[in-house]
Amino acid sequence: ETVLTQSPATLSLSPGERATLSCRASQNVNRYLAWYQQKPGQAPRLLIYDASNRATGIPARFSGSGSGTDFTLTISSLEAEDFAVYYCQQRGAFGQGTRLEIK
Amino acid sequence: QVQLLESGPGLVKPSETLSLTCAVSGGSITSGNWWSWVRQSPDKGLEWIGDMLQSGSSYYNPSLKSRVTISVDKSKNQFSLNLTSVTAADTAVYYCARQGKLRSWFDPWGQGTLVTVSS
Repeated sequence: ETVLTQSPATLSLSPGERATLSCRASQNVNRYLAWYQQKPGQAPRLLIYDASNRATGIPARFSGSGSGTDFTLTISSLEAEDFAVYYCQQRGAFGQGTRLEIK
Repeated sequence: QVQLLESGPGLVKPSETLSLTCAVSGGSITSGNWWSWVRQSPDKGLEWIGDMLQSGSSYYNPSLKSRVTISVDKSKNQFSLNLTSVTAADTAVYYCARQGKLRSWFDPWGQGTLVTVSS
């Protein structure tokens, strides 16, 4: 069973800054990794699938990269609505989440 | 586009069976996609419960497998979750979701429904 470890647990940034979130898999998952955004009281929303493909309707400021065991979600210039919790997922495994908060 | 909506009791007694239904609209449950349940609690975070294909093929989380059944009702375009012998540890927000043919990501998700296990 794959274990996903996200870092950092919390990231404090200001609007306009660049955010870099990490997800490390305990074994090689090739490019089968997805990223989600979750806001309070809402269901997770798919952002990125297969490591680097943006889901329908996701703004271009969101990008994903990586393969094997190390993956990154980058938000190029933070907007107010981007402050939320982000999760990575591979098959039946989810990371513990990174909380992106306003500095 | 496909939308999912969970329904079921918000309160279940310990040792009883938790039963939820997910209604699929805007698409067919026989489309070849996998249909899934995921739950979320403060203690365990997001936890995958299981997936089912309309043909009957299924995958379950090993930690829950002995207590979980997912079924598909093609006539009603919906799928269901049964979780037996519940305890307080099963208290969570339960989400239904769709997965593609490769079971690589969940999209879309239902809005979620809170189920509390308490006497």
